[in-house]
Amino acid sequence: KAGVTQTPRYLIKTRGQQVTLSCSPISGHRSVSWYQQTPGQGLQFLFEYFSETQRNKGNFPGRFSGRQFSNSRSEMNVSTLELGDSALYLCASSLDGTENTEAFFGQGTRLTVV
Amino acid sequence: AQSVTQPDIHITVSEGASLELRCNYSYGATPYLFWYVQSPGQGLQLLLKYFSGDTLVQGIKGFEAEFKRSQSSFNLRKPSVHWSDAAEYFCAVVSTGANNLFFGTGTRLTVIP
Repeated sequence: KAGVTQTPRYLIKTRGQQVTLSCSPISGHRSVSWYQQTPGQGLQFLFEYFSETQRNKGNFPGRFSGRQFSNSRSEMNVSTLELGDSALYLCASSLDGTENTEAFFGQGTRLTVV
Repeated sequence: AQSVTQPDIHITVSEGASLELRCNYSYGATPYLFWYVQSPGQGLQLLLKYFSGDTLVQGIKGFEAEFKRSQSSFNLRKPSVHWSDAAEYFCAVVSTGANNLFFGTGTRLTVIP
């Protein structure tokens, strides 16, 4: 079966702009989580959605937001981009997002803010 | 609060040599522990996980890890490293009742011929 698909793979944006990233989970998976990966901060949890509801949120400013659609696809949005938002954004899907279910990661979207 | 420490930023081993990557966690109860691998430009792939039971866990690609509660450790091992194992390795924990992963800072593995 198809894995987790993230689009686009690469993005270049200018400071102050906004960006939307997309994640299509594995078929049947209802939980989608987002992570930010940077050389300085490593892998950090952004938020998790289950059945169109945000269940958990990491320690990021309100400029970072997300949503999930009825087909479990998820988008995350970053407004008023800053240089420090340059990162690899990873999406992970799992059946129900509980601690003992495996999370499958996409290849990520590489965002560069100039 | 839970946390994960990977003390080794970079490890270099010769092909065919054994490997051990260290991971220490901080958590009040028994955590759920994971090891992931990331190749350059790729996402994360789960190598193995520990939830409960047998403290020696077998994973994919010939990797294993041992959970030691007394040392708060979950070290990853492989008896004989292959050149294709060169990648970055992340230890992660998720706390009971939560659903987000806390990652260590990663260990980059270089394999020399």
